[in-house]
Amino acid sequence: GNSVTQMEGPVTLSEEAFLTINCTYTATGYPSLFWYVQYPGEGLQLLLKATKADDKGSNKGFEATYRKETTSFHLEKGSVQVSDSAVYFCALTPNAGGTSYGKLTFGQGTILTVHP
Amino acid sequence: EAEVAQSPRYKITEKSQAVAFWCDPISGHATLYWYRQILGQGPELLVQFQDESVVDDSQLPKDRFSAERLKGVDSTLKIQPAELGDSAMYLCASSLGLGLSTDTQYFGPGTRLTVL
Repeated sequence: GNSVTQMEGPVTLSEEAFLTINCTYTATGYPSLFWYVQYPGEGLQLLLKATKADDKGSNKGFEATYRKETTSFHLEKGSVQVSDSAVYFCALTPNAGGTSYGKLTFGQGTILTVHP
Repeated sequence: EAEVAQSPRYKITEKSQAVAFWCDPISGHATLYWYRQILGQGPELLVQFQDESVVDDSQLPKDRFSAERLKGVDSTLKIQPAELGDSAMYLCASSLGLGLSTDTQYFGPGTRLTVL
């Protein structure tokens, strides 16, 4: 079946530091890949996505590149801010049809804390 | 900006009692999802609707959980009887349901259930 593995957290950084959160996946075919962010007390918000190999998703200074050869979708940001403190989830959906289409499979989440 | 609405935001109940959660998706979204998020883990799909029809309920514990979307708009998730292990965040999401890789899921704020 499909699965997503994220790096163990929590991650603690100082403001303006470089961020990488690793994500690898197992899936048949060519899934779509996503990063969602969950701020304290809120639901999940889509941060960025990529739907085919070598695509780069980007939003709010965050980037992730769909690497088919390494089955990875690592999240990066060059300079984090205190307001980036949240839980980050990597996820996938299968691109093929069938009843599983659209179903998001999530990783376990990575807690990011950014200190001033 | 249109949002997915959920109520209640918080629910405390005793085990063996019945509980119900409500979700109102973004207007025009044909696909509705219910996810369960246990603390420290990523969300897991419980049930997926396309309009009023269930597409996937393979992970729904049908002996105690039920879900309906009678008119293909809002939806109710019920647990009867609740067990201690049901304590979790219950998230509702919706999408246009066009079956495209660009079909984004939008999440509501969730209902935090505590079973005592």
